[in-house]
Amino acid sequence: EIVLTQTPLSLSVTPGQPASISCKSSQSLLHSDGKTYLYWYLQKPGQPPQLLIYEVSSRFSGVPDRFSGSESGTDFTLKISRVEAEDVGVYYCMQSIQPFTFGPGTKVDIK
Amino acid sequence: EVQLVESGGGLVKPGGSLRLSCAASGYSFSKAWMTWVRQAPGKGLEWVGRIRSQTEGATTDYTAPVKGRFTISRDDSRNTLYLQMNSLKTEDTAIYYCTRYLDYWGQGTLVIVSS
Repeated sequence: EIVLTQTPLSLSVTPGQPASISCKSSQSLLHSDGKTYLYWYLQKPGQPPQLLIYEVSSRFSGVPDRFSGSESGTDFTLKISRVEAEDVGVYYCMQSIQPFTFGPGTKVDIK
Repeated sequence: EVQLVESGGGLVKPGGSLRLSCAASGYSFSKAWMTWVRQAPGKGLEWVGRIRSQTEGATTDYTAPVKGRFTISRDDSRNTLYLQMNSLKTEDTAIYYCTRYLDYWGQGTLVIVSS
């Protein structure tokens, strides 16, 4: 089973400032079809998770362009260029190589 | 607009059974792979399993803790996804979400396994 490790586990950010969350995979997430199936979700308080990024760096429909994803080998990063108040919640990375696994989550709040 | 509405949650005793449903609308349900994800109270997300489309055999995969106890199925004529849960354990207590293969999620239904 692939283990995803997220850092930090909590983050307090000043509105307008950037934020970055790391997700390290215990194995390569490169599928035989050439795609890397790493996703980022945000779970706002009291809501189901919402997809932000799929396949490492593709923004899902309606996701603001202040969110971006990148990779370096088995290290993945979610960046928020300018944090807004509505970005608070828990961010999860997830991989979909069988069996699917989630990272432990990173709680983001506003200073 | 894609909508996923789960139902069927509730309180059940250890060893009991429950069937969850997920009614889908706003897209071509029959073509979509579907998944179930759960979240224990105050905890993170755990993938439960997935089902491929009918054209791909509607085959299923499960996470190890539920294999042999949970069964995912689909009724494309009703645009509905199911999760049959048998031999329930207290550690199965969670909100269960259905997802259209990892992009759209329902609001979830709460399952409590307790004596």
